[in-house]
Amino acid sequence: GQQLNQSPQSMFIQEGEDVSMNCTSSSIFNTWLWYKQDPGEGPVLLIALYKAGELTSNGRLTAQFGITRKDSFLNISASIPSDVGIYFCAGYPRGGATNKLIFGTGTLLAVQP
Amino acid sequence: DGGITQSPKYLFRKEGQNVTLSCEQNLNHDAMYWYRQDPGQGLRLIYYSQIVNDFQKGDIAEGYSVSREKKESFPLTVTSAQKNPTAFYLCASSIRQGASEKLFFGSGTQLSVL
Repeated sequence: GQQLNQSPQSMFIQEGEDVSMNCTSSSIFNTWLWYKQDPGEGPVLLIALYKAGELTSNGRLTAQFGITRKDSFLNISASIPSDVGIYFCAGYPRGGATNKLIFGTGTLLAVQP
Repeated sequence: DGGITQSPKYLFRKEGQNVTLSCEQNLNHDAMYWYRQDPGQGLRLIYYSQIVNDFQKGDIAEGYSVSREKKESFPLTVTSAQKNPTAFYLCASSIRQGASEKLFFGSGTQLSVL
């Protein structure tokens, strides 16, 4: 099946640092979603992107829908300890079923106070 | 509060036993989903339902069964045919936003084999 390549797999940073992660595919996507998952909990939707070039912010988080429509980026500014968790990208590929979301393998973020 | 409720939070299964995971939503969403999550991996789709009394297999449906008798409820049964059931199970429901669906997740059920 289709896959989303998410990188990096893990990040260990100091509090206050900025973070960048990305998600790429060989296919064109119509929608990109970014989720955060805390340990033992379900993913929580952070940002949704619907068109190429779109840049959307949610507090200290900013995500972009890549111009090629094959990638997306998530940035976290001035990280804090509660940013710890696993961040997943997800998307709906063009021509795919509109109800079958494809997930990346996640980026584990650890923030040292 | 509106949301998706999964129960139980932790569940143990004996060899040869069927177990059922509950998922209830009061968001009035039409579509509901079950995903399986293994450590260090992404989410894999087990089953999904777009409307009451209808459901479709996802990518890893073997060894699982579902029902959708009510809009609010989408229980998942892990049957004895599922030989490696230990995983974190996530239920989701969705609302359509333009041409795409936005998924909202429950807090998950951790299933372990005794």
